[in-house]
Amino acid sequence: GESVGLHLPTLSVQEGDNSIINCAYSNSASDYFIWYKQESGKGPQFIIDIRSNMDKRQGQRVTVLLNKTVKHLSLQIAATQPGDSAVYFCAENERGSTLGRLYFGRGTQLTVWP
Amino acid sequence: DTGVSQDPRHKITKRGQNVTFRCDPISEHNRLYWYRQTLGQGPEFLTYFQNEAQLEKSRLLSDRFSAERPKGSFSTLEIQRTEQGDSAMYLCASSLGSATTQYFGPGTRLLVL
Repeated sequence: GESVGLHLPTLSVQEGDNSIINCAYSNSASDYFIWYKQESGKGPQFIIDIRSNMDKRQGQRVTVLLNKTVKHLSLQIAATQPGDSAVYFCAENERGSTLGRLYFGRGTQLTVWP
Repeated sequence: DTGVSQDPRHKITKRGQNVTFRCDPISEHNRLYWYRQTLGQGPEFLTYFQNEAQLEKSRLLSDRFSAERPKGSFSTLEIQRTEQGDSAMYLCASSLGSATTQYFGPGTRLLVL
């Protein structure tokens, strides 16, 4: 559960383009995954979550995809805006865990250029 | 604002001093978590409470650290005899029950000189 990580530490996109942020995890017992957005000097802000019984979940401009076969999670942001610039973290929680502790990856810095 | 609040937002202290941080969770959230975040890293779990009971501590939480949640509402995190390695952002989160969304506060940034 402590091997949540990200493929790329930085991502730069043009305003209006779609962004895809990836995350790999190693704990097959994980069954709950969350994406957080963290702006400089602020606490992590919840974006979207997904449980392991789902492959895809959509929110407003965001979609999370879960591939349990290869233990891969991605966050897609549609029509990326300058306000989306931040560090994005994926986090996981173990199946059946009553503890609720989350394991975070290092994060991906998303920069959106006007 | 009904989100998680933390106080102070920033703290500068000298090595060897004691510091105490406060967290006020979202009202009615029975779970409260403390995390630590260093530059360029994701948050790392420290400890959590369910109501007033402290149910788990990470190995990161040395004996210089103590956390309380006396009435099951707000929580305090105290660091005694601070060291330069304690410099970090200390984050508090709360949730309603287990395996549910944790909402984070703005954090307390600690700098130990």
